[in-house]
Amino acid sequence: GESVGLHLPTLSVQEGDNSIINCAYSNSASDYFIWYKQESGKGPQFIIDIRSNMDKRQGQRVTVLLNKTVKHLSLQIAATQPGDSAVYFCAENRNFGNEKLTFGTGTRLTIIP
Amino acid sequence: GAVVSQHPSWVICKSGTSVKIECRSLDFQATTMFWYRQFPKQSLMLMATSNEGSKATYEQGVEKDKFLINHASLTLSTLTVTSAHPEDSSFYICSASLVGRRRTEAFFGQGTRLTVV
Repeated sequence: GESVGLHLPTLSVQEGDNSIINCAYSNSASDYFIWYKQESGKGPQFIIDIRSNMDKRQGQRVTVLLNKTVKHLSLQIAATQPGDSAVYFCAENRNFGNEKLTFGTGTRLTIIP
Repeated sequence: GAVVSQHPSWVICKSGTSVKIECRSLDFQATTMFWYRQFPKQSLMLMATSNEGSKATYEQGVEKDKFLINHASLTLSTLTVTSAHPEDSSFYICSASLVGRRRTEAFFGQGTRLTVV
């Protein structure tokens, strides 16, 4: 359902530490998942994606974990930097490639210098 | 990477007037574009799917006569908010889809902040 009226969850992490952002998705039929980063006043920026036939994927300083059993997705950011401060959204896609995304509620990550 | 540009980045209009927002894919052709609305501290909510050369597909609860979408070319989609009211004030974001060998990827514009006074 919609998250109308709810404020974004927040997470504060000391610079240099690792952070984990979690997301629960709703549709067991979703087969493709994406993490986006959104800075204030800007559009979402692609970070990393994962297909449902995988449970882990790594990028540069980021790792996405997928647990289909409990419909849970997480984004791990290693060695956080001030530039990592932003709102992070997970998005799910049903029928890989049909382009229509459903966004999660988002988490505001603040990196403390 | 592919670039999607929105114009204007912000606009203030009087209640009752109409506002047009443009979404352009600068270096690729996009048969499908999407329009989202985002209220403060909330997530992106899909409003409609814009298909080149055909009518847009609106999500449930989105008034098609109020939010007019035109996708006249493979690089341009427009969203017109007609008879805008203060409750239409929001951040509007478009995305354009680029079909690749591995997958289809969505590229987002920088968003348009609409304030209706």
